[in-house]
Amino acid sequence: QQQVKQSPQSLIVQKGGISIINCAYENTAFDYFPWYQQFPGKGPALLIAIRPDVSEKKEGRFTISFNKSAKQFSLHIMDSQPGDSATYFCAASGGRGGADGLTFGKGTHLIIQP
Amino acid sequence: KAGVTQTPRYLIKTRGQQVTLSCSPISGHRSVSWYQQTPGQGLQFLFEYFSETQRNKGNFPGRFSGRQFSNSRSEMNVSTLELGDSALYLCASSPWTGNSEQFFGPGTRLTVL
Repeated sequence: QQQVKQSPQSLIVQKGGISIINCAYENTAFDYFPWYQQFPGKGPALLIAIRPDVSEKKEGRFTISFNKSAKQFSLHIMDSQPGDSATYFCAASGGRGGADGLTFGKGTHLIIQP
Repeated sequence: KAGVTQTPRYLIKTRGQQVTLSCSPISGHRSVSWYQQTPGQGLQFLFEYFSETQRNKGNFPGRFSGRQFSNSRSEMNVSTLELGDSALYLCASSPWTGNSEQFFGPGTRLTVL
């Protein structure tokens, strides 16, 4: 069964610190790895995504690191701010032309303390 | 561009009833996917529609169905509602089918009593 395992479940980081969320996948056919940010009462918003032909992608304070051999990828939030407090989901898709939709991790509840 | 819109935003039904949820994708997007979000199971893929055809379906019973219209708008239907169907139902649109970016709407919160 396709799975994406996400850790930690919850994370508390001080303002200005680095938030790190990790994900591991099993299906080697996955070839698209997005991260979503969700605030209470809202739908998930696409934050950043990576494909396995690169090992890192950076957009502003958000960076994805990707390790194909270990089948792991992570989200780093630099200079974390209270406004970053939200639930973050990693996801993966691929194989069968992505016909199976996105497979999501269980989410990480991030709290940035001022 | 306007984002993905979903109606209604909130819905309360009783067991045994049926419900229809609606989704309007971003203008120009032709693929619509549906997901169920619950505290216990997280986000789970229901199905995707592209060019009015269901491409694939997740591991959900036949009570869950959908359709897509020629203008790419989509509806999903749940028949014979069960208490466990209480969830946030999310619609996501993307320009094309397959591994493309998916943009989510705000969801429809369904409560089954």
